[in-house]
Amino acid sequence: EAQVTQNPRYLITVTGKKLTVTCSQNMNHEYMSWYRQDPGLGLRQIYYSMNVEVTDKGDVPEGYKVSRKEKRNFPLILESPSPNQTSLYFCASSFGTATYEQYFGPGTRLTVT
Amino acid sequence: AQSVTQLGSHVSVSEGALVLLRCNYSSSVPPYLFWYVQYPNQGLQLLLKYTTGATLVKGINGFEAEFKKSETSFHLTKPSAHMSDAAEYFCAVSDEAGTALIFGKGTTLSVSS
Repeated sequence: EAQVTQNPRYLITVTGKKLTVTCSQNMNHEYMSWYRQDPGLGLRQIYYSMNVEVTDKGDVPEGYKVSRKEKRNFPLILESPSPNQTSLYFCASSFGTATYEQYFGPGTRLTVT
Repeated sequence: AQSVTQLGSHVSVSEGALVLLRCNYSSSVPPYLFWYVQYPNQGLQLLLKYTTGATLVKGINGFEAEFKKSETSFHLTKPSAHMSDAAEYFCAVSDEAGTALIFGKGTTLSVSS
């Protein structure tokens, strides 16, 4: 089954404790992206990757890091989480660029206390 | 820069009634437009998209949208609402470079019996 998986689905952590949210897709997609969803703000892009070893900032990259060492994986790293990073995070992938249909993961709800 | 405005953060309809969710966009290039649906505790799922060609786009679950360039609109409609249509709906436009989707803030659709 074609899918995007994220882990963990739920995470409660404390300020400053490094964490990684994994994202993996099995569709051989070149493009991958991370979004955060906040009430009343819709989804905003954090980082994206057009291919292996090619990543770039989106609209809200502060406090986040990513890497793309393999085509299927695109982890999101919070090196020193803060409460304002409490949010719902989605990973997405598509065949080419953002002009193609994006397939979304199920989401990771992160709470930073 | 591209932007999306969804009119009405919450729309309520009765089962069997017409569903109309409004979306206006701003784009400096011919737009790629999307409607996504998010059911509770799930990721986003593509309903339909407009790229070029026919301005009336049909999607899944009986939804359709019409691209009106003169009005910069891409409203989503469904002739007869079902209870299962209750969800959050997002309109989105691809940015100029094709590296991100720019989302509206979302419209929550409630369907009553």
